[in-house]
Amino acid sequence: AQKVTQAQTEISVVEKEDVTLDCVYETRDTTYYLFWYKQPPSGELVFLIRRNSFDEQNEISGRYSWNFQKSTSSFNFTITASQVVDSAVYFCALKIIQGAQKLVFGQGTRLTINP
Amino acid sequence: EPEVTQTPSHQVTQMGQEVILRCVPISNHLYFYWYRQILGQKVEFLVSFYNNEISEKSEIFDDQFSVERPDGSNFTLKIRSTKLEDSAMYFCASSVDRFYEQYFGPGTRLTVT
Repeated sequence: AQKVTQAQTEISVVEKEDVTLDCVYETRDTTYYLFWYKQPPSGELVFLIRRNSFDEQNEISGRYSWNFQKSTSSFNFTITASQVVDSAVYFCALKIIQGAQKLVFGQGTRLTINP
Repeated sequence: EPEVTQTPSHQVTQMGQEVILRCVPISNHLYFYWYRQILGQKVEFLVSFYNNEISEKSEIFDDQFSVERPDGSNFTLKIRSTKLEDSAMYFCASSVDRFYEQYFGPGTRLTVT
């Protein structure tokens, strides 16, 4: 069985601070995908990134960056120079490649950026 | 940019009634999914659908639930006899194949009274 843990339930920072959201996953499968989704107050789920298990290169997209470390089963998400519009619940998710199609989500981290 | 759409945005129903939630996946996508999110909790997988049949389902997806693709564009989730605990946000998602990211619709908030 797969499991995703986001230990930080809520984080609150002041605008322009950097913030890192932690994600730790468990799976016995050696090939899998990891994802981050954003859920703003309006409620929809917005896809941010997909990463496969055989590519440990970190990724940067504007103010967003992701650090994937297979050795610690972690896929952390950093927002640099946070903005109020970044306020949302962020979900990390896992999908194994063989067989299953479902995404297994973590509990989510509620991020509040204060002006 | 193509997107998944869902109707209605909010549905209120009485316990024991049947509800049908509707979704229009992205047009060139082949895999379709339903998830639900009870208020304040994580998103949970219900079912995936490919080639006009269920390809995977969770323990939550019992005999009360069914899915259908009645025509070339719609994908529906039916709950036969709703219970209070079915109150949740229901998300439809689609993906171009089973390896790629799933794009989610805006959700239908189901309230069972």
